[in-house]
Amino acid sequence: EVQLVESGGGLVQPGGSLRLSCAASGFTFSAYWMHWVRQVPGKGLVWVSRISGDGSSATSADSVKGRFTISRDSARNTLYLQMNSLRAEDTGVYFCARGGNSRETAGDNWLDPWGQGTLVTVSS
Amino acid sequence: DIVMTQSPDSLGVSLGERATMNCKSSQSLLYSSNKKNYLAWYQQKPGQPPKLLIYWASTRESGVPDRFSGSGSGTDFTLTISSLQAEDVAVYYCQQYYNTPRTFGQGTKVEIK
Repeated sequence: EVQLVESGGGLVQPGGSLRLSCAASGFTFSAYWMHWVRQVPGKGLVWVSRISGDGSSATSADSVKGRFTISRDSARNTLYLQMNSLRAEDTGVYFCARGGNSRETAGDNWLDPWGQGTLVTVSS
Repeated sequence: DIVMTQSPDSLGVSLGERATMNCKSSQSLLYSSNKKNYLAWYQQKPGQPPKLLIYWASTRESGVPDRFSGSGSGTDFTLTISSLQAEDVAVYYCQQYYNTPRTFGQGTKVEIK
């Protein structure tokens, strides 16, 4: 069974840092694009960042560029999101989600499955 | 960035009746080389992560009931629930994967009337 489990969320002060993790199982982790998506409780979905299967290509939303870094460790089957210089508007539930197979012609595509999410609250 | 706009924001439908919701993109999601529309639909129930329903605008994900169907091409897309069941109460999101940044619609909340 394909499974994604996020951890690392919590309460942090503005300007602080946090590292989120997403443990993957049930599939060949190194073959797939992986994504982070944020959701303010009760609000919509906002895409944050993605990284290719081999980690050679990464893209982030303008709102987090220079502050957040996505990375992955294929030996540990784990995706990370390093979040620095956190702001109140970064508050939300962060989901990791699997994208497309990097080794297939279609490349990255829809997001499936999604983890249960981890809550990040930026507040003084 | 591609802007995704869903309508309506909320929808009240009687059990067994049809629910129809729309998604419009600010630019075409049809890739000319393969004639595929780079659009997905997700269902999110309270307290749960989103679940993939439809990809390539009209291909139903394995295990998704056939009362869910997607249609449309280019910039205009529709998700239809042919006969609403109680378990279909949720927020539905469209998302484009034509380019980055990936973008989502604001969601359509489906309730029982």
